[in-house]
Amino acid sequence: DAGVTQSPTHLIKTRGQQVTLRCSPKSGHDTVSWYQQALGQGPQFIFQYYEEEERQRGNFPDRFSGHQFPNYSSELNVNALLLGDSALYLCASSLGGQAGETQYFGPGTRLLVL
Amino acid sequence: GNSVTQMEGPVTLSEEAFLTINCTYTATGYPSLFWYVQYPGEGLQLLLKATKADDKGSNKGFEATYRKETTSFHLEKGSVQVSDSAVYFCALLYSSASKIIFGSGTRLSIRP
Repeated sequence: DAGVTQSPTHLIKTRGQQVTLRCSPKSGHDTVSWYQQALGQGPQFIFQYYEEEERQRGNFPDRFSGHQFPNYSSELNVNALLLGDSALYLCASSLGGQAGETQYFGPGTRLLVL
Repeated sequence: GNSVTQMEGPVTLSEEAFLTINCTYTATGYPSLFWYVQYPGEGLQLLLKATKADDKGSNKGFEATYRKETTSFHLEKGSVQVSDSAVYFCALLYSSASKIIFGSGTRLSIRP
């Protein structure tokens, strides 16, 4: 049973650049959530996608955008990167599109902005 | 607003010691409660969960009981191992919401 997968595992960018991170949900799951985890902190919710639409969004600027594909995989895009965007980006998947379903996390993509 | 507060780390114990990591929450209504574990260099793994008051979640020797009266969900293990060294996150999730609210994490180190 394939778990949540993310790519790439590590990424280095410079300020002002754009980045795209990818996530494939656990087999059978159709909902994807994205979180940002700064060093030494708990993860912070960015947004959730269900049925190819953004269902809920956390307190992140419009520089953060996403997309969900018909196969339920998802991308997180960040424009105009800032040093403060350096973090571990976690993708989580859940089943059935029901709010409150248990979310299962991938290994994350570690982004460093120089 | 809704929030989760965990005991600050790091927590350092000797192997086979008893573990308690305190977690309290502030919320309206009755969220589901979770403990996630993060091993070095990895993502989050669900350790256990409880969905209603007085439920006890358990896994791999860890357990936590949903206490509505004290708004707590403390994590316990009777005898820790070196392999339990990790960061532990307490979290809550409403049935009507999509986002998990995490505590700041507690780093646990176990000495052989």
